[in-house]
Amino acid sequence: QKEVEQDPGPLSVPEGAIVSLNCTYSNSAFQYFMWYRQYSRKGPELLMYTYSSGNKEDGRFTAQVDKSSKYISLFIRDSQPSDSATYLCASSRSTLGRLYFGRGTQLTVWP
Amino acid sequence: GAVVSQHPSRVICKSGTSVKIECRSLDFQATTMFWYRQFPKQSLMLMATSNEGSKATYEQGVEKDKFLINHASLTLSTLTVTSAHPEDSSFYICSAREGEGTDTQYFGPGTRLTVL
Repeated sequence: QKEVEQDPGPLSVPEGAIVSLNCTYSNSAFQYFMWYRQYSRKGPELLMYTYSSGNKEDGRFTAQVDKSSKYISLFIRDSQPSDSATYLCASSRSTLGRLYFGRGTQLTVWP
Repeated sequence: GAVVSQHPSRVICKSGTSVKIECRSLDFQATTMFWYRQFPKQSLMLMATSNEGSKATYEQGVEKDKFLINHASLTLSTLTVTSAHPEDSSFYICSAREGEGTDTQYFGPGTRLTVL
């Protein structure tokens, strides 16, 4: 079983839709959870970073972590065509630990 | 935010040759750099972790004699793919972490390697 599982999609939604992206993880020692956005042929960029369970909001993006079910979510409100990218979830045990990535979900937001 | 560059962005080489990829932190000093490999529609797989001035730590299954990593300064790490073969064709991405006690990794734009 992989450390972090993520449905690769693809996911296609109309502009303005609410997007829900999800991951599950298997290692209960994971404490730090991240979402990265990766445009085609580019390196990932950090979108959201959360510690332990709870919600974190940043503009149109909300990250949720439920440690009891080992479930990680990213919500995008009022999605835009510029949000079209691959979204990768990642987890780690400690602040300086290695990152374990999901496969990434390819999202397309059409006008 | 912190910027990490990679060079070259794309390289095509013949089987059996060696290829060097550079990773630089442009506006910060990176005590730790990471090298990842990403196949199409797959996740980033950590290959090795390198700390400035010391030997790299390789992940299980990664041949250290094939993927040579040098982290000679606080702003530069290099990955050399020795005697490259078509199965080494992939997208190689580095990331850098600034200083001690800092957890954010900043990723480079990646290098697309194609071995003919």
